[in-house]
Amino acid sequence: DGGITQSPKYLFRKEGQNVTLSCEQNLNHDAMYWYRQDPGQGLRLIYYSQIVNDFQKGDIAEGYSVSREKKESFPLTVTSAQKNPTAFYLCASSTGNTQYFGPGTRLTVL
Amino acid sequence: DQQVKQNSPSLSVQEGRISILNCDYTNSMFDYFLWYKKYPAEGPTFLISISSIKDKNEDGRFTVFLNKSAKHLSLHIVPSQPGDSAVYFCAASGVGAGSYQLTFGKGTKLSVIP
Repeated sequence: DGGITQSPKYLFRKEGQNVTLSCEQNLNHDAMYWYRQDPGQGLRLIYYSQIVNDFQKGDIAEGYSVSREKKESFPLTVTSAQKNPTAFYLCASSTGNTQYFGPGTRLTVL
Repeated sequence: DQQVKQNSPSLSVQEGRISILNCDYTNSMFDYFLWYKKYPAEGPTFLISISSIKDKNEDGRFTVFLNKSAKHLSLHIVPSQPGDSAVYFCAASGVGAGSYQLTFGKGTKLSVIP
């Protein structure tokens, strides 16, 4: 089955700890993205990568970091510098204008 | 400054009737528009898209209309079904280096009443 997987579905961390969210795709898409969704809000772009070993900041990149060492993988690290990390995180990939999303990871920082 | 606006946070429709979800945009560089459907605690699912060279695109029960002069698009669902109850997001992308980036509206929650 082709698709995008994100793990885990739910993640709890203590304040001050870094945490890495996983995103894997087997769609052979070049571009990958990370979004954040807060209650009552749309999706806001954190980082995106159009090709391996290259990535760009989105609208709300502060406190986050990414890597793109493989075409299939685009992990997101939420660092302790992110002031309000509790949110629903969505990964997407695309081969053109249409982005396809994974199931999301709900991160709760206690 | 919101470049994509969905001014109705919620909409209720009777089963079998038409649902019309609206979206306005301000950036004239946007040339591709998409609608996504999202259930709680799940990722958005792509529904339908339209390029700025068209004014209508249809896929089964879903039709998207684009009015470029008014910078307005709408999604029509007919007939509406209870399974259509979800949050619908409008998104837009533009030409150039950022052409793969999507700008999302805040969503409209559709409730289809049996």
